[in-house]
Amino acid sequence: AQSVSQHNHHVILSEAASLELGCNYSYGGTVNLFWYVQYPGQHLQLLLKYFSGDPLVKGIKGFEAEFIKSKFSFNLRKPSVQWSDTAEYFCAVNAGTGGFKTIFGAGTRLFVKA
Amino acid sequence: DGGITQSPKYLFRKEGQNVTLSCEQNLNHDAMYWYRQDPGQGLRLIYYSQIVNDFQKGDIAEGYSVSREKKESFPLTVTSAQKNPTAFYLCASSTWTQPPYEQYFGPGTRLTVT
Repeated sequence: AQSVSQHNHHVILSEAASLELGCNYSYGGTVNLFWYVQYPGQHLQLLLKYFSGDPLVKGIKGFEAEFIKSKFSFNLRKPSVQWSDTAEYFCAVNAGTGGFKTIFGAGTRLFVKA
Repeated sequence: DGGITQSPKYLFRKEGQNVTLSCEQNLNHDAMYWYRQDPGQGLRLIYYSQIVNDFQKGDIAEGYSVSREKKESFPLTVTSAQKNPTAFYLCASSTWTQPPYEQYFGPGTRLTVT
């Protein structure tokens, strides 16, 4: 069965620190990969996605993620975090033949200290 | 504005009562989904529907029921058979024809059963 593993459940950083959130998935076929973000009091929204092509994808608010197929990983990065990045981040994967089986990771709560 | 609306935002019920959560979308998406979000567990799929009058069980369908009589609407009923109904419920929608099928989420309904 497909699964998604996020390495950290809670991360605390100071402003301007660099961020990397780990995500690994288990599925051997073609995948679509996503990072979603849930800011306090707001809807869950798409941060970025990988479908095909360049494995380094850029999203909103300066976030990027790199798909490394050999490692089954899709880590999220940001060079310098801001207080407004405080949120919960979810990695997700679907198998590419239909969106209904999108599997979500458990989430990582990021708190950025001002 | 295109989007997904869920109502109510907060819902309180007594144990043994059925309760229906509303979800409406005006994104013209074919597929709709219901997830349950519990702390530390990510999003777990309850039911999904690809087209009107058709729906499928997700990973945790027991104690829940749905209907899809209109493309725009996908209500979820939490029945008295659901053993642990207190949770945050998220509705989502996506296209079915254009990969990677990223999902758009509503604001959620927080259900408390006592």
